[in-house]
Amino acid sequence: EVQLVESGGGLVQPGRSLKLSCAASGFTFSNYYMAWVRQAPTKGLEWVASITNSGGSTYYRDSVKGRFTISRDNAKSTLYLQMDSLRSEDTATYYCTSRGGAYWGQGTLVTVSS
Amino acid sequence: DVVMTQTPPSLSVAIGQSVSISCKSSQSLVYSDGKTYLHWLLQSPGRSPKRLIYQVSNLGSGVPDRFSGTGSQKDFTLKISRVEAEDLGVYYCAQTTHLYTFGAGTKLELK
Repeated sequence: EVQLVESGGGLVQPGRSLKLSCAASGFTFSNYYMAWVRQAPTKGLEWVASITNSGGSTYYRDSVKGRFTISRDNAKSTLYLQMDSLRSEDTATYYCTSRGGAYWGQGTLVTVSS
Repeated sequence: DVVMTQTPPSLSVAIGQSVSISCKSSQSLVYSDGKTYLHWLLQSPGRSPKRLIYQVSNLGSGVPDRFSGTGSQKDFTLKISRVEAEDLGVYYCAQTTHLYTFGAGTKLELK
C-alpha cells in the first residue's frame, strides 16, 4: 500500500522557520518527481515546489523563492521542505504529492501567527 | 505562468444526473515528448485530493468508468455519468507540463 506521511507542521511566529518531512512507502520513491502543494483554509490547491527524482533540479513558485528549500533523501524515501522567513500568507495545509498527483499524503497544517 | 480556467465554479446535481466540467489552459499543454500532462483530481470533504484521471483521459487506479476525460492542446473536459453521492466534493484540473498549476476548483453539490 502506498503511503505518504507528512510531519513537522505547527504554529510558528512570522519570520521563524519550520521543516516539513514526508515519509514515503509502498512505491519506488527514487523513480518519482515529487512536489509540495498547499491549501490555505477554505481555498484551492496551490503548487509550492517540485524536485526531480534524483534531486538534481528544483523549482519554486515565485512567492516562496529564496525562502523555501525542497530536498529529498532517496535512501530514506523522504521528501523535505525547509521553510524560512515564514509569513502569515504561508498559513496552509501542506501536502506531499508525486508530480501528476498519483499519490498524496494526509497533509500537515502550518499556522504562521504571532 | 500557465493559468488554468475552470468552469463552472459550482454545480448542483441530482443523483443519477450527468455533468461536465471545463478546464481551459492559457498555453498548450502538449509536452516535448508529445504527451499532454493534464489531470483531474477530486477532493472529498475533509480529505486529501485523489487523482481521477491522468494525461487527459486515463482513469486512475480504482476509479469507476463513470468518469471520463477528453480534450487536447488547451481545452479539456471532465464528464461524470450517473453521479453518485460519493462523487460530491471539489474537482480540480491540474497541469504538470509547465511546472504545476491547478484550476480554481468546481464544487459539486447535491440538489
